[in-house]
Amino acid sequence: EVQLVQSGAEVKKPGESLKISCNYSGYSFININYWIAWVRQMPGKGLEWMGIIYPGDSDTRYSPSFQGQVTISADNSISTAYLQWSSLKASDTAMYYCARQIAYYNILTGHPTLYHLDYWGQGTLVTVSS
Amino acid sequence: QSALTQPRSVSGSPGQSVAISCTGTSSDVGGYNYVSWYQQYPGKAPKLMIYDVSERPSGVPDRFSGSKSGNTASLTISGLQAEDEADYYCCSYAGSYTLDVFGTGTKVTVL
Repeated sequence: EVQLVQSGAEVKKPGESLKISCNYSGYSFININYWIAWVRQMPGKGLEWMGIIYPGDSDTRYSPSFQGQVTISADNSISTAYLQWSSLKASDTAMYYCARQIAYYNILTGHPTLYHLDYWGQGTLVTVSS
Repeated sequence: QSALTQPRSVSGSPGQSVAISCTGTSSDVGGYNYVSWYQQYPGKAPKLMIYDVSERPSGVPDRFSGSKSGNTASLTISGLQAEDEADYYCCSYAGSYTLDVFGTGTKVTVL
C-alpha cells in the first residue's frame, strides 16, 4: 500500500529556519516515473504546485513562483523527502502537502512531463508568527 | 504562470448533474492531455478523481467524468450526491519551465 506520512505541525517565528518531511513507502522508489511533489495551501485558499524531486538521484525542479524561496531535498536511504526554509516569513503560514507525482522522464530533452498526483500525505501545518 | 480559471462555486440538487470548467491557455490545458482533477473536503488532503483528461482511478465512482475542448477542461458530476459536496481543483502540465499549475478551485454545494 502506497503511503506518504508527513511530519507534525510546526509553529515558528519569522526569520527562523524549518525543514519538514514526507516519508514515502509501499512502492519502488527507483522507478523514474515516480517523483515527490510539494503543494502549498494558504489559509482559505487554493492549491499551489511548488516543485518536485526524483528521490533516486535528487533531480529537483521548482515552479518559477517558488524558485529560490524553498529548498526541496530527499534521502532515498530512509525514503524521505524534505521541504525547507532558511528564513521563514509570516506569508509562509500554510498547509503543505507532499504527493507522489507520476511523470515521464524524457531522456532526450532531460525534462520530466508531469502527469498527475495519485497519493497524498496528510499535510503539515506551518504557522509563522511573532 | 497564472492559475487556471475555475468558477468559484456551482450547486445542484441531489440527482442532478453539475459541470465545472477549467480554463487555461494553449501552453497548458490546450497543449497537453495531462489534466487532472482533485476533490478536497475541509481539513483533508486532496484526492485524485480524474487523470489524463478523462481517466478515472480505481475506486472513483463512474458518475465523475472528465473532458476537454480546446483550452478548457471540464469535470462533470452526474447524479449528484450529498457526499460530493467539496472543493474541486483542476491541474494541468504546463511545459518544462512552469511544469504544473492548479486551477483556482470550485466549491460544489448540494442543495
